Amino acid sequence: KNEVEQSPQNLTAQEGEFITINCSYSVGISALHWLQQHPGGGIVSLFMLSSGKKKHGRLIATINIQEKHSSLHITASHPRDSAVYICAVGDGHNTDKLIFGTGTRLQVFP
Amino acid sequence: EADIYQTPRYLVIGTGKKITLECSQTMGHDKMYWYQQDPGMELHLIHYSYGVNSTEKGDLSSESTVSRIRTEHFPLTLESARPSHTSQYLCATRDRVGTEAFFGQGTRLTVV
Repeated sequence: KNEVEQSPQNLTAQEGEFITINCSYSVGISALHWLQQHPGGGIVSLFMLSSGKKKHGRLIATINIQEKHSSLHITASHPRDSAVYICAVGDGHNTDKLIFGTGTRLQVFP
Repeated sequence: EADIYQTPRYLVIGTGKKITLECSQTMGHDKMYWYQQDPGMELHLIHYSYGVNSTEKGDLSSESTVSRIRTEHFPLTLESARPSHTSQYLCATRDRVGTEAFFGQGTRLTVV
């Protein structure tokens, strides 16, 4: 079993839909990161959070430390949101290495 | 805007060739990382550095080597490329432990 699990693996949506991607982890963490990877391969950091909720534009990230669970929400989805969304956790040790989930592939159709 | 650059973006090379993948950053971050990512799979740490003259192997065994002679540069070298090295290689930096990570655009390597 992976230490970081994401669901769903693939997600298709119609433009305008509300989207939720989930991440569960089984290790102690320093913080949880949500990343976005476009088809070209580059990765952009969306959020880093260790408690509560953060919002940036149409993106919202929440984390429940007790349940070891985080969600990434996209409101009013748009085709340009199509990408792979990756959850990663800092392992909380001295080196704080990142442990990655396998990602959720999102396609938003017009 | 993150300032981390990887070259080349794409590379097709023959078996047995020596290659160096470049990673440069202008943010002055001490911590730099190399990840390997196969299609549809998660990223795996292959090398990291916490500053000049500091390099460590990551969790995934790799035949590549790295060097950190200057803060800005963290090149990765394969002495003799093999088809099993075909993958995407991503470089990242962090200001310090527990902070946001910045990633390069990646190098997609194909060894034929």
